[in-house]
Amino acid sequence: DAKTTQPNSMESNEEEPVHLPCNHSTISGTDYIHWYRQLPSQGPEYVIHGLTSNVNNRMASLAIAEDRKSSTLILHRATLRDAAVYYCILFNNYGQNFVFGPGTRLSVLP
Amino acid sequence: GAVVSQHPSRVICKSGTSVKIECRSLDFQATTMFWYRQFPKQSLMLMATSNEGSKATYEQGVEKDKFLINHASLTLSTLTVTSAHPEDSSFYICSARDSGTTNTEAFFGQGTRLTVV
Repeated sequence: DAKTTQPNSMESNEEEPVHLPCNHSTISGTDYIHWYRQLPSQGPEYVIHGLTSNVNNRMASLAIAEDRKSSTLILHRATLRDAAVYYCILFNNYGQNFVFGPGTRLSVLP
Repeated sequence: GAVVSQHPSRVICKSGTSVKIECRSLDFQATTMFWYRQFPKQSLMLMATSNEGSKATYEQGVEKDKFLINHASLTLSTLTVTSAHPEDSSFYICSARDSGTTNTEAFFGQGTRLTVV
C-alpha cells in the first residue's frame, strides 16, 4: 500500500471549519483515498473516500488535487465530538488490509 | 450502514489464562477479517488476516500459537489470546469488508481493551 503523510497534530476552534491535509505523492491510478477517524477508546470510524472527484457526505467533504498527489479532508463546522485521530489511507481493490500511519490528532477548542 | 460488532469491549484476565474475542459482521458477509492491535499513543498494527474456511495469515513477529484465529463462518471471526501475559495488554480491533460488493470501505469493531494482571 502506498504511503501517506499527515501532520501529527492540528487544533481548531469549535464551530470553525477544519482542513486536514494528506500527501500521497506515490499514489497509483487504482488507489482510493480513504479517511477514517478514531475517537478515544473506540475502533476507527469511516469518514469518507474518493478516487478522483471531490466527495461530500453528511460528515465531511474530501477535496482531491487534480494530480491526486494530495487531498484534504474538510470538516465544515468542528464540534467537540470531532476531536479524534484522523487517518488518511490509500487502498485499492487488489489490496487486503488497511495500513494505518500515525494520523493527525485533531484537538477542538471550545 | 454496515456494522461490525466486537465482544467483549473490555476484559481483565489473570496472567496465564486465555481470552477469546469475537468479531461479527452483522449485516454483511466477510470472507476476510483483519485483526489489529493498538498500544497506547500508537497507531493500529495489523496482526493477522482471518480467512473463512482456511488458516489465518499472520504478520511477521506475531506468534500464531499464541494468537489463535478461527473464522468458521462468513460473519464470525474469533481471536484467542492464549497464556496471556501483561505485555499482551492492549486494544484489539477487528475489521471487515463486505465480500458481496466491490466497495473498498472497511468497517471496524468497537475494539476490545485487554488488561492482563
